[in-house]
Amino acid sequence: AQKITQTQPGMFVQEKEAVTLDCTYDTSDQSYGLFWYKQPSSGEMIFLIYQGSYDEQNATEGRYSLNFQKARKSANLVISASQLGDSAMYFCAMREGPRGSTLGRLYFGRGTQLTVWP
Amino acid sequence: EAGVAQSPRYKIIEKRQSVAFWCNPISGHATLYWYQQILGQGPKLLIQFQNNGVVDDSQLPKDRFSAERLKGVDSTLKIQPAKLEDSAVYLCASSVQQGANTGELFFGEGSRLTVL
Repeated sequence: AQKITQTQPGMFVQEKEAVTLDCTYDTSDQSYGLFWYKQPSSGEMIFLIYQGSYDEQNATEGRYSLNFQKARKSANLVISASQLGDSAMYFCAMREGPRGSTLGRLYFGRGTQLTVWP
Repeated sequence: EAGVAQSPRYKIIEKRQSVAFWCNPISGHATLYWYQQILGQGPKLLIQFQNNGVVDDSQLPKDRFSAERLKGVDSTLKIQPAKLEDSAVYLCASSVQQGANTGELFFGEGSRLTVL
């Protein structure tokens, strides 16, 4: 079974609008972390935001927020006020284990290509 | 702070040839990862080191891929002999376990391999 599912191969949004990128995950562990990464055409993976399974509040980092619905096993990324520079591939990822642990494998989804148009 | 360094950025070889990629992680990062990213897919973990020991190499095709991290710092990933399906971007990443941080991975720019 897929650990991470991203069902939107591509999304389009107009500049200054908000967009939601979907992510669902599969785990039987109680302790895990969810990550979102951005990959521009240059290829480097850029860390955006993290949500721990025990975090009570949804994570926010500037224009990025994570809509975490634990019972539904979803961790959608919301980008507010989209900018042209947000055009990139976005990956959702999960690692089983406690917050900060680096020992578990980080599983990635297939990604969503976001295009922001003027 | 210097980021994760990788070389070469691009490599074109013919099938059955060999190739090696080098990675230098962020200073002080004990965990080092090699990922393979085939076009249109998400990264897939090949091997993970903690210092100079292997934590996870379950998805490394060991008949042709090898990796080492001598002295627990930089690392080399080798493919010998290469196959057409090895064409991909090879991403190196590092992370550090420190207090309550997230343990996020810091990635290099990747090494793009084309096998003809």
